[in-house]
Amino acid sequence: DAKTTQPNSMESNEEEPVHLPCNHSTISGTDYIHWYRQLPSQGPEYVIHGLTSNVNNRMASLAIAEDRKSSTLILHRATLRDAAVYYCILSPNAGNMLTFGGGTRLMVKP
Amino acid sequence: ETGVTQSPTHLIKTRGQQVTLRCSSQSGHNTVSWYQQALGQGPQFIFQYYREEENGRGNFPPRFSGLQFPNYSSELNVNALELDDSALYLCASSSWPKTYEQYFGPGTRLTVT
Repeated sequence: DAKTTQPNSMESNEEEPVHLPCNHSTISGTDYIHWYRQLPSQGPEYVIHGLTSNVNNRMASLAIAEDRKSSTLILHRATLRDAAVYYCILSPNAGNMLTFGGGTRLMVKP
Repeated sequence: ETGVTQSPTHLIKTRGQQVTLRCSSQSGHNTVSWYQQALGQGPQFIFQYYREEENGRGNFPPRFSGLQFPNYSSELNVNALELDDSALYLCASSSWPKTYEQYFGPGTRLTVT
């Protein structure tokens, strides 16, 4: 399975944009890129996913490098509620069976 | 719209015992996946059920088994419990083929002593 590499932790100030990086240099042509987040004491929550093109939804934006070997999750204005562990996941089946790595713990300062 | 629910919330079992965990899918969802999350780690995929059949399995031994019922609710059974089975067990539902958007329940915390 293709692996992802994420920083262990990041800090952000409230109301500022946050860019969460993910490296996936061994990604295959059919792998989708998924982002989930897990707030304290909760199950993971779907954030966004994409294949080749950049994607936007109400929660975030996903910027995918042209060679697809890296991607960035963008939270446009961080709030305290965005403090969570963010997981970048590759899946060959559009999200059928997800393999989570260690994720990035995002801390948001008021 | 009712979200994914799991029962029980917490459970303590002794090594060698058997346990059954339950999950009710979100309304309208026909696919259920189970995950194991050890403390401080990301969730690991156990298996997925679609139309009452196992549709994929992660790297877990056969003593981890499951069922999906006609109403799309599901059970996870673990036999011959080991200490390493202590973890948070998460259930996620989705609507085939949109399985990229999985909705997770709050989990069942299993402690094996």
